Amino acid sequence: GAGVSQSPSNKVTEKGKDVELRCDPISGHTALYWYRQRLGQGLEFLIYFQGNSAPDKSGLPSDRFSAERTGESVSTLTIQRTQQEDSAVYLCASSLAGLRAQHFGDGTRLSIL
Amino acid sequence: TQLLEQSPQFLSIQEGENLTVYCNSSSVFSSLQWYRQEPGEGPVLLVTVVTGGEVKKLKRLTFQFGDARKDSSLHITAAQPGDTGLYLCADAGGTSYGKLTFGQGTILTVHP
Repeated sequence: GAGVSQSPSNKVTEKGKDVELRCDPISGHTALYWYRQRLGQGLEFLIYFQGNSAPDKSGLPSDRFSAERTGESVSTLTIQRTQQEDSAVYLCASSLAGLRAQHFGDGTRLSIL
Repeated sequence: TQLLEQSPQFLSIQEGENLTVYCNSSSVFSSLQWYRQEPGEGPVLLVTVVTGGEVKKLKRLTFQFGDARKDSSLHITAAQPGDTGLYLCADAGGTSYGKLTFGQGTILTVHP
């Protein structure tokens, strides 16, 4: 069975450009999370989606960051006007429901030049 | 804001040795999870502990949860190169869903 799929796996872009990262959750998983992992660090929570409820955006570091999810399917994380400090691995996870085990994708490694 | 501290930050050992890594929280854990993350991959859940004093075993891995539910340890017996990776502890506290707060991790390298 397919796990959580993220694309692209790697993205290199110039400072000031916008980037869009994609996450395909496991089919049937209603909860979806985005995390950021800086080099050698733990994961920082960014945003949480649960079904059609309003997302929890409390972890987004600035208004340059936004995310969308249509129903219980694909999610996109958009970073506008990228800065060098945005360089990190962006990980997506999904679960059957909020308190169930989270299954992570392999992440998108974002490098801002 | 809850802070999770993991120690040591780095650990390099030979195959066959035993090791212990630690996770300490500034506040009581709601539920504690341990993950292992290999380079280029996402974290994979190893275990969830909820009850103070709880001990769980997963083959050569033993997880202990402190009585006060503010600390935990992960002990690996007879480490193997396949155990190499980043070990992360996380808490899903304070919310009605699984928003996780992670420690910074312990990077373990097991040399053949």
